[in-house]
Amino acid sequence: AQSVTQLDSQVPVFEEAPVELRCNYSSSVSVYLFWYVQYPNQGLQLLLKYLSGSTLVESINGFEAEFNKSQTSFHLRKPSVHISDTAEYFCAVSDPDRDDKIIFGKGTRLHILP
Amino acid sequence: DGGITQSPKYLFRKEGQNVTLSCEQNLNHDAMYWYRQDPGQGLRLIYYSQIVNDFQKGDIAEGYSVSREKKESFPLTVTSAQKNPTAFYLCASSIGAAGLVEEQFFGPGTRLTVL
Repeated sequence: AQSVTQLDSQVPVFEEAPVELRCNYSSSVSVYLFWYVQYPNQGLQLLLKYLSGSTLVESINGFEAEFNKSQTSFHLRKPSVHISDTAEYFCAVSDPDRDDKIIFGKGTRLHILP
Repeated sequence: DGGITQSPKYLFRKEGQNVTLSCEQNLNHDAMYWYRQDPGQGLRLIYYSQIVNDFQKGDIAEGYSVSREKKESFPLTVTSAQKNPTAFYLCASSIGAAGLVEEQFFGPGTRLTVL
């Protein structure tokens, strides 16, 4: 079965420093990949997604993620974080065995330090 | 504005009582989903529905029930059989076209606390 691993449950980083949140998935077949963000006591919002084409995808608020098929990874990066980026981030992948499902990782909580 | 609404935002229930969480969407999506979120465990799928009057169990369906009588509505009932119901519940929807899911849209969530 498809699985998603987010290696870090929490990541502390100083404001204006770069950050990388790691995500690996298990399937080697063609999949869609997603990063969602969740602010406290809210639902999830799509941050960015990879469906096809360029392996580097970007969000409107400066995040980017790169699809690496050989390493089955989809790490999320931002060159300079802001206090407003404090949130939990979920990596997700479409389930190749079930067209109608997405599998989520356990999340990484990003703490921005002043 | 198009979106997904969940009500209530906070819900308290006594042990042994059933409770129903509401989820409504006006995105004209065919597929709808219920997830349970616990700290450090990510999102776990409870039930999902691809079309009206049809739904499938997810990974943790025991102690829960759903109905899909209308396209825009997918209520979740937490029954007294659910051993540990205190959690944050999220409803989501997707277009539901054939093929891989391209995106799920989420509601704001309902936090259920059993007293």
